[in-house]
Amino acid sequence: DAMVIQNPRYQVTQFGKPVTLSCSQTLNHNVMYWYQQKSSQAPKLLFHYYDKDFNNEADTPDNFQSRRPNTSFCFLDIRSPGLGDAAMYLCATSRVEGYLSDEKLFFGSGTQLSVL
Amino acid sequence: RKEVEQDPGPFNVPEGATVAFNCTYSNSASQSFFWYRQDCRKEPKLLMSVYSSGNEDGRFTAQLNRASQYISLLIRDSKLSDSATYLCVVSSNNFNKFYFGSGTKLNVKP
Repeated sequence: DAMVIQNPRYQVTQFGKPVTLSCSQTLNHNVMYWYQQKSSQAPKLLFHYYDKDFNNEADTPDNFQSRRPNTSFCFLDIRSPGLGDAAMYLCATSRVEGYLSDEKLFFGSGTQLSVL
Repeated sequence: RKEVEQDPGPFNVPEGATVAFNCTYSNSASQSFFWYRQDCRKEPKLLMSVYSSGNEDGRFTAQLNRASQYISLLIRDSKLSDSATYLCVVSSNNFNKFYFGSGTKLNVKP
């Protein structure tokens, strides 16, 4: 089945130690998103790739970076994780084709990040 | 002002009850509207899209009121398995971004 896959499901890192979360998709969607979700809060968009174009949200800290080496893969890099970065990180995809699209968001199962 | 606002609840209802959630959005140019369901520590999953004409899927009915910029979800004959957080999602006018409400928590009790 076509899907969005995130690895790992749980990630533990140390304060200040760089960590990378990965996401892959077999849906051939052109847009990939990274959301951060903390307990009892809405998912917060960090950034998204529209094809190869990177779009950062204005309030996303510089500590968060992303790479999309090809259509199928997208990575979230946290350069120096702080305690406040502990959260669920959700990767999502969508197919957007100009103003004719009404595609939905498809989510991976998320990576729960703990910072010790 | 938040892009999407929802009553966080929780809504505590008995099995078999009818419950309704509302959601308001701030951008009148928003194009697409959805309800997602999220279980504890799981990813959001699409429940249904919301159309201006209203749409129904079994026990679930969604309505969109563009003039008043609100979206509703009605759940009839609530089941224990309906207990979850329901997220209202609105896409931007260029479809690139999806904005989430903070979710409404539903607890269905026996």
